Amino acid sequence: NAGVMQNPRHLVRRRGQEARLRCSPMKGHSHVYWYRQLPEEGLKFMVYLQKENIIDESGMPKERFSAEFPKEGPSILRIQQVVRGDSAAYFCASSPPLAGDHYNEQFFGPGTRLTVL
Amino acid sequence: QQQVKQSPQSLIVQKGGISIINCAYENTAFDYFPWYQQFPGKGPALLIAIRPDVSEKKEGRFTISFNKSAKQFSLHIMDSQPGDSATYFCAASIGAGNMLTFGGGTRLMVKP
Repeated sequence: NAGVMQNPRHLVRRRGQEARLRCSPMKGHSHVYWYRQLPEEGLKFMVYLQKENIIDESGMPKERFSAEFPKEGPSILRIQQVVRGDSAAYFCASSPPLAGDHYNEQFFGPGTRLTVL
Repeated sequence: QQQVKQSPQSLIVQKGGISIINCAYENTAFDYFPWYQQFPGKGPALLIAIRPDVSEKKEGRFTISFNKSAKQFSLHIMDSQPGDSATYFCAASIGAGNMLTFGGGTRLMVKP
């Protein structure tokens, strides 16, 4: 049973380019969350999605960032016109249907480390 | 508010000792408190979690103590081992399926 998968694991972009980060949740999980981790800091929530719906994007910067979780395929976090301050590790987490003992358990992927030159 | 404050930032413990990491929160609506372990270059891994209807939960060498009135919870690692050396994050959330608010992390080093 594969865990949360993210690709690419490392991504290097020049300022002004676009970055696309992909996340495939665990089998049977329909909730996806994106978090950002700056060096030596904790994780900060960005966005929470279910299939074809954005549930909570309160942590997402208003400009240049977008996220989607289509009916088919992985969730995508897209950063347009990247700047050096976007350099960070981006983690995706998924959780199972909300019932029983697995109350809000979020399982994290290995992350994508974005470096902006 | 949504903040979760974690201490200490770093901790050095001898092998076999007890590691204790503390977290404090402000928002009384939080009702789920997990701890995550993260090794360098890896994603956070869920270690243990507690809900506010219990004051303690134990899984193997890991124990969460929860003090609802003080709005504090802590992670105790008994018989700490060098393999426990990692960064530990506490977190909290409100309701099912909502975002996790993380503490700043504690870098634990267990000396052999």
